[in-house]
Order: sequence, then C-alpha cells, then structure tokens
Amino acid sequence: KAGVTQTPRYLIKTRGQQVTLSCSPISGHRSVSWYQQTPGQGLQFLFEYFSETQRNKGNFPGRFSGRQFSNSRSEMNVSTLELGDSALYLCASSPVPLGTGANVLTFGAGSRLTVL
Amino acid sequence: DQQVKQNSPSLSVQEGRISILNCDYTNSMFDYFLWYKKYPAEGPTFLISISSIKDKNEDGRFTVFLNKSAKHLSLHIVPSQPGDSAVYFCAATRVFGNEKLTFGTGTRLTIIP
Repeated sequence: KAGVTQTPRYLIKTRGQQVTLSCSPISGHRSVSWYQQTPGQGLQFLFEYFSETQRNKGNFPGRFSGRQFSNSRSEMNVSTLELGDSALYLCASSPVPLGTGANVLTFGAGSRLTVL
Repeated sequence: DQQVKQNSPSLSVQEGRISILNCDYTNSMFDYFLWYKKYPAEGPTFLISISSIKDKNEDGRFTVFLNKSAKHLSLHIVPSQPGDSAVYFCAATRVFGNEKLTFGTGTRLTIIP
C-alpha cells in the first residue's frame, strides 16, 4: 500500500514568488491536512480538506491556500513568498475527517521550501 | 497560544536506560493524545496514543502515561536504543469535536551508545 506522497521534496524560491505543493494521500483516504514545521514552533496546522471541501483552517494569512481534487489529491499554494515562509510543509491523510473519531494521521515526507 | 507544550527541546539518555519525554496541555476538552516520532528527512510516524478514559497505555518498549488533573502526559521508552534518536512530538485533540490535531514543539531525543 503506497504511503502519502509529497512533491516536490525540495525547492528554492525567492521573495515575492509563489509556490504550489502537491500531496497524494493513501488510497481510500479522503481527508488531507497540511502542516508547517519550523524550528521551535512544532507542527502548525494550516488547513484540512475532505471530499474537496475545506473543513478547518489554521491561523495563517490568506496567502496560504489549498484545494482538493476529486481523486483526493491536494495542493497547497503560497503566494507572495516571504523569508519566514521557509519551512518544511507536511501533509497527512486519514480515512475520515479530523475530529470524527480516534483516527491516526499518516504523514508524507514533506516538502522543504527555502525562500531567499 | 500554545495549547500543547513540550518544555524540553532536547534530551540525552544513555543506551539501555529509560527515556522520559514530557508534554503539558491547557485545553481541558482534549480527550485523545498521541505521540509521533520524526527522523530527519522523513515525515512523522505514529508511535502510541491514549484516550482520556485511561491513564496508561503500553506498546512494547513504549508506555504513555496520562495525568488528567495535571493536564500532563509522558512517554517512557525502556530500554532506550540508538534507533530511538529522533524528534518526538506529542499531539492532542477531541475525538468527536471536529477538532484538528494540535502538536507540541517537539523534543529531540539523543541516545548515547
């Protein structure tokens, strides 16, 4: 059974550019959630998608957006990049939405974004 | 507002000894707690969980203890092995509260051979 796949694994952008990251969940998982990991901040929740609908959103500016396709694959986009957006972006998948049972998230390996 | 806190950024333990990682939370509505382990260049992997109706859960070398009155949980690893060197995140949520998973900031555990 394939795991959660994130692409690209590494990327370098400059300030002001935009970036799109992709996440393919485990087959059959319909919930995809995104997290930002920075040193000292742990994993900060960005948003969750289930059946193409955003269910929850974390405390991030509107420059961070996402979507989910009918095959459950998800993308997140960050526009007008800032230096502080440099981080590891992780996605996780689950068969059911967050907060609807004692389910366990399965994470991808992450996309390491560096903003210069 | 950090609702889940891991106050020790790092911990070093001799191989074979017990490793104890601590986690505190502030939201009394949390009723499900998890520990994840993360190696460099990999995503976090689930380690062990505990429901608020229990105060202890064991899985092999890993035991999680929950003290609801103190809003504190701890992960015990006995005996510690070099492969346990990783960053450990605790997380908390409400099982049926339409709640996201809230993570702590992580503790880097180093097992000294």
